[in-house]
Amino acid sequence: QKEVEQNSGPLSVPEGAIASLNCTYSDRGSQSFFWYRQYSGKSPELIMFIYSNGDKEDGRFTAQLNKASQYVSLLIRDSQPSDSATYLCACTTGYSSASKIIFGSGTRLSIRP
Amino acid sequence: KAGVTQTPRYLIKTRGQQVTLSCSPISGHRSVSWYQQTPGQGLQFLFEYFSETQRNKGNFPGRFSGRQFSNSRSEMNVSTLELGDSALYLCASSLESGRARGEQFFGPGTRLTVL
Repeated sequence: QKEVEQNSGPLSVPEGAIASLNCTYSDRGSQSFFWYRQYSGKSPELIMFIYSNGDKEDGRFTAQLNKASQYVSLLIRDSQPSDSATYLCACTTGYSSASKIIFGSGTRLSIRP
Repeated sequence: KAGVTQTPRYLIKTRGQQVTLSCSPISGHRSVSWYQQTPGQGLQFLFEYFSETQRNKGNFPGRFSGRQFSNSRSEMNVSTLELGDSALYLCASSLESGRARGEQFFGPGTRLTVL
């Protein structure tokens, strides 16, 4: 079982709709969770982080964390063509400062006009 | 504030050669991580350096090594290159403490092609 799992997609969403991206993780001790966006041919860019159970909103983006279910999600409201990219979920494993940061394989999102 | 820089941006090497990649983190960031990205394997963690010490290591053979200098700049070395080492190598920097370690800023990457 992979440590961080994402549906590879592609996920196709019409412009203006809500895009919902999901991620599950295997290490129950994971403390911190991140969403990165990667455009084709570019490097990943951090767009959201969440550390506590519940929702965290930033503009059109909402990250949701459920530690009991070991589940993280990213909602993108009012999806725009510029949101078309691969979204990488990441989490830190373990408790110490030597914990690793593990990335999922990414979900490809396509916003259709 | 300047972002993470990586040099060179592109490299072509042949099997058996060695290569050194360089990364300069964002000013004030003392943690530098290296990743290998390929279409098949995704983003794979290589190692992390903090204050000139390797703090963590991924599951890569010993041919992959790195170091960090007192100014936080980091280098990664791959010896005896294999065809499978062809990939995008990404460097990321972050603040050193606690949860912020995962808030990483990536450089543009070095595209390595092994022939």
